[in-house]
Amino acid sequence: KAGVTQTPRYLIKTRGQQVTLSCSPISGHRSVSWYQQTPGQGLQFLFEYFSETQRNKGNFPGRFSGRQFSNSRSEMNVSTLELGDSALYLCASSLERAGEQYFGPGTRLTVT
Amino acid sequence: DQQVKQNSPSLSVQEGRISILNCDYTNSMFDYFLWYKKYPAEGPTFLISISSIKDKNEDGRFTVFLNKSAKHLSLHIVPSQPGDSAVYFCAAQDRGSTLGRLYFGRGTQLTVWP
Repeated sequence: KAGVTQTPRYLIKTRGQQVTLSCSPISGHRSVSWYQQTPGQGLQFLFEYFSETQRNKGNFPGRFSGRQFSNSRSEMNVSTLELGDSALYLCASSLERAGEQYFGPGTRLTVT
Repeated sequence: DQQVKQNSPSLSVQEGRISILNCDYTNSMFDYFLWYKKYPAEGPTFLISISSIKDKNEDGRFTVFLNKSAKHLSLHIVPSQPGDSAVYFCAAQDRGSTLGRLYFGRGTQLTVWP
């Protein structure tokens, strides 16, 4: 079975721009969660989608948003990028909302 | 507020010996715990998990122990191999109210030397 895929793998953007990251979960997995990893804060939960609905949200500003499509694929969007948004963005999928989550390789976002 | 804590940022172990990675948590509502391994420039890889109704779970060289009264869990790797060198993250889940969300510790860098 193919794992979680994320595109693009690397991205460089300028302050003030917006960005969209994509995640394809493992086939059959219905829940997709997003995390931000930075050296200072570790792995921080952004949000979780299940059945095309956001079920849980972490403590991030409204500039961070996401959505899930009927095929469980998910996208996250960050608007008005700030230097502090530079991070590794990880997507994880799971069969149901509880239990093990399987991570993709991440998208490395650099904001200049 | 860090609800999952890994107080040792690094651990160095000789090949063939036991590696013990520790994790503490503060939220008594956590009822599912997981360990992940992460190499640089890759996403975390799921290793092993344990439900709060158990105190031990074993999978090959990896064993996780849970002490609910102390709010403490540990991952034992026996025997340790150089390929085990990576950052290990402890994670916890409250399956009652925050499904879909994992709370992570800051990680422990394990180095296994020959």
